[in-house]
This record gives sequence, structure tokens and C-alpha cells, in this order.
Amino acid sequence: AQTVTQSQPEMSVQEAETVTLSCTYDTSESDYYLFWYKQPPSRQMILVIRQEAYKQQNATENRFSVNFQKAAKSFSLKISDSQLGDAAMYFCAYRSHNNNDMRFGAGTRLTVKP
Amino acid sequence: GAVVSQHPSRVICKSGTSVKIECRSLDFQATTMFWYRQFPKQSLMLMATSNEGSKATYEQGVEKDKFLINHASLTLSTLTVTSAHPEDSSFYICSARDVENSPLHFGNGTRLTVT
Repeated sequence: AQTVTQSQPEMSVQEAETVTLSCTYDTSESDYYLFWYKQPPSRQMILVIRQEAYKQQNATENRFSVNFQKAAKSFSLKISDSQLGDAAMYFCAYRSHNNNDMRFGAGTRLTVKP
Repeated sequence: GAVVSQHPSRVICKSGTSVKIECRSLDFQATTMFWYRQFPKQSLMLMATSNEGSKATYEQGVEKDKFLINHASLTLSTLTVTSAHPEDSSFYICSARDVENSPLHFGNGTRLTVT
């Protein structure tokens, strides 16, 4: 079974600075999808960014980018120019190509200091 | 974008009663919906996969007779917590996808408190 590991329970960043959240996963599959979701205090799950495993190019969405290392099974999220509104729980998630369900990491709580 | 509506957002019930939670895809057809449970300060744990017109697939350790899932239409799935106990108190979140390989869209969640 696939597992997703987020080794940083909490992270803190100064407003306007950059922070990187770590995620590793374990799988024997070659085709899959990786995601980062944000969960603010409202508990709504918000998709931040996704990456298809067959794509070598790292996904980027405005201030959010990933460092996808397929061989190392690593999928870190970089948040540039951090804003107060970025404060939330961040979950890394894995979904195989053939299955529908999604497996989540334990989450990283990000605090943004003004 | 795709919207998933979950109702109610909060519910308090007495021990021994049943509670139904609805998950609706508002602007797309969802052949598959997923039900997750989230304990405080923990991650989302998949409970079951709900397929329209067929029986739900439950994850190991999830009691199917306690957590009844019905997916009678392409836009609605329901989770019924039967004979609720205080340990069932949790945050329940549904999700759905519109087309294959698209990201999941999540509902706003339901906070269930069993007294």
C-alpha cells in the first residue's frame, strides 16, 4: 500500500520569505499523481498544486512550486513570498493512476509571522 | 469550478441515534465519491469509496453496518452513522471528482458531536 510521510508537524516562516514543506512517499507504481492541499481553520480542503508523475517538469502555480524527485520519491512544496493567508495545515497526497482514492500525509501546520 | 456541497456542517446528536450526512456535486456528475474522517489535528483517513448505483467499498477497519453509504444518483451520496456513540464524534469530509484523473473536490465537512 502507498504511504505518504510528512516529517514536519509544524513549520514557521516570516511574512514575505520562502518556506519549503517536505513530503516523501512510498510506492511501487510508476504512474501516479501527487497533490498538495491546504486546509485553513475553516477545514475546507483547497487544492494548491498537482503533479503528474510522468511529467519531469516541476509544477508551478504562482507563488507555489514543487520539487518533484521521482527516483527519491520526494515531493516538496515551496511557498515564495509567504503571506499571512498562507497559514494553514498543508497535506501532501498521493493517488495512483488506476485507483480513485487519495492517501494523505499527516500534515504540516504552517505559521506565518508578520 | 466544480463545487461539492456537504450538509449539515455541524450536527449534535444523542448516543444511540442515527445521523445522515449528505454530499452533493452541484455542477458536475460524480460517478465516484469518497468519505473521509478526520480526528483533531490529524490527517484525513479514507473510510469508503462510493460508486453510483453500486455498493460502497469500505477501507479495512471501517464497519459497513455502522457507516451506511448510499450513492443513488450521480450527484448525491449519503453517509449515515447508525447508533452513534461518543467515539464517533469527528469531522467527516466527502469528496468527488468529475472526470477521470481530475483532482478531487472536497465538501466543507461535517462536524459530528455525539453526546
